[in-house]
Amino acid sequence: AQRVTQPEKLLSVFKGAPVELKCNYSYSGSPELFWYVQYSRQRLQLLLRHISRESIKGFTADLNKGETSFHLKKPFAQEEDSAMYYCALRAGGGSEKLVFGKGTKLTVNP
Amino acid sequence: NAGVTQTPKFRVLKTGQSMTLLCAQDMNHEYMYWYRQDPGMGLRLIHYSVGEGTTAKGEVPDGYNVSRLKKQNFLLGLESAAPSQTSVYFCASSTHNGLSTEAFFGQGTRLTVV
Repeated sequence: AQRVTQPEKLLSVFKGAPVELKCNYSYSGSPELFWYVQYSRQRLQLLLRHISRESIKGFTADLNKGETSFHLKKPFAQEEDSAMYYCALRAGGGSEKLVFGKGTKLTVNP
Repeated sequence: NAGVTQTPKFRVLKTGQSMTLLCAQDMNHEYMYWYRQDPGMGLRLIHYSVGEGTTAKGEVPDGYNVSRLKKQNFLLGLESAAPSQTSVYFCASSTHNGLSTEAFFGQGTRLTVV
C-alpha cells in the first residue's frame, strides 16, 4: 500500500532562514513524488515534481530512494512562503492512485 | 478556462439526508479524484476514476458512492449523511503527458452535517 508521512504538522521559521519540510513514503514500486501547496484562500496547486528535478520559487526536493524520502528545501524562506504544504505520491503501473500526506503548515515570521 | 469546477461550494445537511456533489473538468483529463480534507488529517482519497465508466475505492470510501458516466464529470454521493462526513471536499483531475502528471484541483465544497 502507498503511504506518505509528513512528521511535522507545524513549522515556524524566520524570514531568511533555511527551511526543510520532511516527507517519507512507503511504496513497493517506482513512485512519482510531488509537493503541492495551498496558500490561504486559494486552490491546492502543484509546486514541484521529482521527475522534473526543477526549482520552483526557490524550493527544491530530491528523491532519495534509499531513505524513501522527498524532503522540500529552501535556503532562504520568505513571508510569502507561508502556506500549507502537502507531499503526494502517485502509484505507477496504471493504478493512477494519488495519495497525500497530512500536510505541514509553514509559517514564515518577519 | 474554468479548469475544475465543484458544485455546490457550501451545503448544510441534516443527518440522514442525501446529496450529490458534482465535479466538472474541461481539460479532457482521464483521471479524476475525490478527497476530503479534515484538520490534522490532510487530504484523504475517497474514490477515484481512471476513465469514463470506471471507478475505484480510495482510502476512506465508506459512506460514499461515485459515478463517472461522462468523462468530464465525476459525482460524489452521500446516501445517508452523518456528522462524521462534515468536511471540506476537493475534486481533482489529471492526465499523463508521457513524462509526468499534474493534478488540478477544484475550489472545494464545505459540507456540514448537523
